[in-house]
Amino acid sequence: AQSVTQLDSHVSVSEGTPVLLRCNYSSSYSPSLFWYVQHPNKGLQLLLKYTSAATLVKGINGFEAEFKKSETSFHLTKPSAHMSDAAEYFCSNNAGNMLTFGGGTRLMVKP
Amino acid sequence: NAGVMQNPRHLVRRRGQEARLRCSPMKGHSHVYWYRQLPEEGLKFMVYLQKENIIDESGMPKERFSAEFPKEGPSILRIQQVVRGDSAAYFCASSLGTGGQPQHFGDGTRLSIL
Repeated sequence: AQSVTQLDSHVSVSEGTPVLLRCNYSSSYSPSLFWYVQHPNKGLQLLLKYTSAATLVKGINGFEAEFKKSETSFHLTKPSAHMSDAAEYFCSNNAGNMLTFGGGTRLMVKP
Repeated sequence: NAGVMQNPRHLVRRRGQEARLRCSPMKGHSHVYWYRQLPEEGLKFMVYLQKENIIDESGMPKERFSAEFPKEGPSILRIQQVVRGDSAAYFCASSLGTGGQPQHFGDGTRLSIL
């Protein structure tokens, strides 16, 4: 069975400081992992995807994520937070026909 | 450059009424997925469809819920005899293929049951 765990339900950072959103997965085979962002009253926007081509994946808006098989992790990072990054972030694993989502991490950015 | 289009954006129904949610996938996408987002439960898969076929409905409640994706027109998620617990945001996604293909989401329909 596939599962995705986001280790922090809330993360608060100051504008201009680094962002780290943590995600661990379990998968019986090579996973296809995604990070999505959801702004209030909007749908999910794809930030980046991992599909086994490279372990460091660059996404939109300066985000990137590193796939670490030994740690079963796919943490999302950004060097410098911007106020517009405040949103909810979802890590997900594609299990063939469906996406399995983590519980989400709400990122707050303080001025 | 239309993405996934869902309508209505907001839908209010009284208990016992029917709710119909529509989804037009991105151009060229033939795979459609429906997800439900409940405040305490997060995002959960409901059903996966291709044109005229339900491929996987393992996440659909056994009663009152149905989905279709006809040859022509949008995909429809139908909820009969709605109850308060059906209040949620319903998201549609589409993809070019399965496996590692990313799914692109619409802005959702927020269903409120009075």
